[in-house]
Amino acid sequence: AQRVTQPEKLLSVFKGAPVELKCNYSYSGSPELFWYVQYSRQRLQLLLRHISRESIKGFTADLNKGETSFHLKKPFAQEEDSAMYYCALRGGQNFVFGPGTRLSVLP
Amino acid sequence: EAGVTQFPSHSVIEKGQTVTLRCDPISGHDNLYWYRRVMGKEIKFLLHFVKESKQDESGMPNNRFLAERTGGTYSTLKVQPAELEDSGVYFCASSQVSLVNEQFFGPGTRLTVL
Repeated sequence: AQRVTQPEKLLSVFKGAPVELKCNYSYSGSPELFWYVQYSRQRLQLLLRHISRESIKGFTADLNKGETSFHLKKPFAQEEDSAMYYCALRGGQNFVFGPGTRLSVLP
Repeated sequence: EAGVTQFPSHSVIEKGQTVTLRCDPISGHDNLYWYRRVMGKEIKFLLHFVKESKQDESGMPNNRFLAERTGGTYSTLKVQPAELEDSGVYFCASSQVSLVNEQFFGPGTRLTVL
């Protein structure tokens, strides 16, 4: 069965501090992993995907198949990073989302 | 380009009533998806259209939910009769057939069943 877990419902950090949002998954095949973000009063949008190996807004995420993880990291958090973050897995055609982590970056 | 649009943005109905949600995908996007997030839980897949055909409806919770996409353009999701547990936010997303990873989400419809 496909499943995505995000152990932290809420994560608070101070501006300039490093941040790591955890994501673990279970999937029997080769998954495609994504991070989606929803800023206040905005729609859900794609932040990054593992196949692109890109850095968006200073965020990176590395797929670790051994640990079945896809943690999202940023070395220096900014206040504008405050949002709801969802880890998602695509196996086949459709997506499975994690429950989300609310990141709050304090001034 | 307005992106994916959904109507209404909010709906408050009583248990037993019927509600129809509408999604207009981005023009040219053949893939259309419905998801929902009930309070405190994760976003769950409901179903997937390719043009007017249902590709996968394995996430539909029960037969009180009916989705249509006549003509392969906009889609409707009808809940009849609505129950308390149907309350939540219903999201629609669309993507091009060749770029299925690029799902663009609508703003969602918040449904409250009293």
